[in-house]
Amino acid sequence: SQTIHQWPATLVQPVGSPLSLECTVEGTSNPNLYWYRQAAGRGLQLLFYSVGIGQISSEVPQNLSASRPQDRQFILSSKKLLLSDSGFYLCAWSLSWTSGSTDTQYFGPGTRLTVL
Amino acid sequence: AQKVTQAQTEISVVEKEDVTLDCVYETRDTTYYLFWYKQPPSGELVFLIRRNSFDEQNEISGRYSWNFQKSTSSFNFTITASQVVDSAVYFCALSDRRSGGSNYKLTFGKGTLLTVNP
Repeated sequence: SQTIHQWPATLVQPVGSPLSLECTVEGTSNPNLYWYRQAAGRGLQLLFYSVGIGQISSEVPQNLSASRPQDRQFILSSKKLLLSDSGFYLCAWSLSWTSGSTDTQYFGPGTRLTVL
Repeated sequence: AQKVTQAQTEISVVEKEDVTLDCVYETRDTTYYLFWYKQPPSGELVFLIRRNSFDEQNEISGRYSWNFQKSTSSFNFTITASQVVDSAVYFCALSDRRSGGSNYKLTFGKGTLLTVNP
């Protein structure tokens, strides 16, 4: 069965510091990968998605970037954090187009980021 | 553009009551998918159900049931005999094939916080 991991689980960082959040998926190959942010108020915002190694699409211009160095690894980064980057970051995966339905996304446990 | 509306921001019930969470969606596409996710206090979003636009049959899974009505663009979720463990935020979501030209993008509602009191 497939599992998705995220770390760290919680993070407190000062404004202006760099960020690196990691997401890995096990038990599947060539998944589609996604980063979401959930700010206070519960809304989920899609930040980035990737359909393959090195292929990143950005949904919202912002202070963040994403990379996919390996098939099942997805990294969210920032060079300098802003207060507004605080939130709950969720990684998700879905099957690739060649594997079947791409519509169901399965989420990781999330990383709670506080920028002070 | 696609849109998902969950008009109920918060619902509070007493254990063993039945509760229905409403979801209304908007899309211009004829092929689309609807989802429900549960987010307990731990934060992880748990997939509950996926329904495609061509299947209007209601679904029942244990105490959970879903009522899909294309005529009213609704996909409501009912919990029968609620339990304290059902307390969570519940999200309805839509995926349609006009989302950027592929079917990768989910549009979420803002969620309904369900509190089940003992």
